[in-house]
Amino acid sequence: SQQGEEDPQALSIQEGENATMNCSYKTSINNLQWYRQNSGRGLVHLILIRSNEREKHSGRLRVTLDTSKKSSSLLITASRAADTASYFCATDANSGYALNFGKGTSLLVTP
Amino acid sequence: DAGVIQSPRHEVTEMGQEVTLRCKPISGHNSLFWYRQTMMRGLELLIYFNNNVPIDDSGMPEDRFSAKMPNASFSTLKIQPSEPRDSAVYFCASSLKPLAEAFFGQGTRLTVV
Repeated sequence: SQQGEEDPQALSIQEGENATMNCSYKTSINNLQWYRQNSGRGLVHLILIRSNEREKHSGRLRVTLDTSKKSSSLLITASRAADTASYFCATDANSGYALNFGKGTSLLVTP
Repeated sequence: DAGVIQSPRHEVTEMGQEVTLRCKPISGHNSLFWYRQTMMRGLELLIYFNNNVPIDDSGMPEDRFSAKMPNASFSTLKIQPSEPRDSAVYFCASSLKPLAEAFFGQGTRLTVV
């Protein structure tokens, strides 16, 4: 069953703009991870944020986590056409060992 | 390391045939996962192995699906008999330990006609 749900389902922006994607989940977690998937490829890990962290940065990526609202956001700053991909959040809730993924946000960055 | 290696990349088979998907995880990784991805259902966890032992197979759709991990460097997912509704992309992923960063293979795109 899906634990994390991304919002919006699709996002279209121009190069240079920021892209923000949100993820909501239902039960308590140990950590939350964001992954990226290019068309026809496997998922690639972007960033992991633990339940006791509120914000994390990696290059142009910024992730926030609000455990009281059971939500996370992924911000991509100064987007590039190469950022075009689907982005998924994943949580460990309900299992304690495996990741459950949402259906993803499809991001299109146009030149 | 070459990453998680899956084979074949594409498989087209007729309904009723047996299909075997293969996965070589990253050396040293103790956790291995099989996922299925479809447009309708997204990414679904099928089965999880820890140290070659199946821990949770509750995501396996039905008895037609089986998975094995005979050693730390190899796993298979078998569908027998296959049905058109099994058409999907099947991913294998491995991680150093549960809940750590997961490394995905490129997937096997299965089409059952």
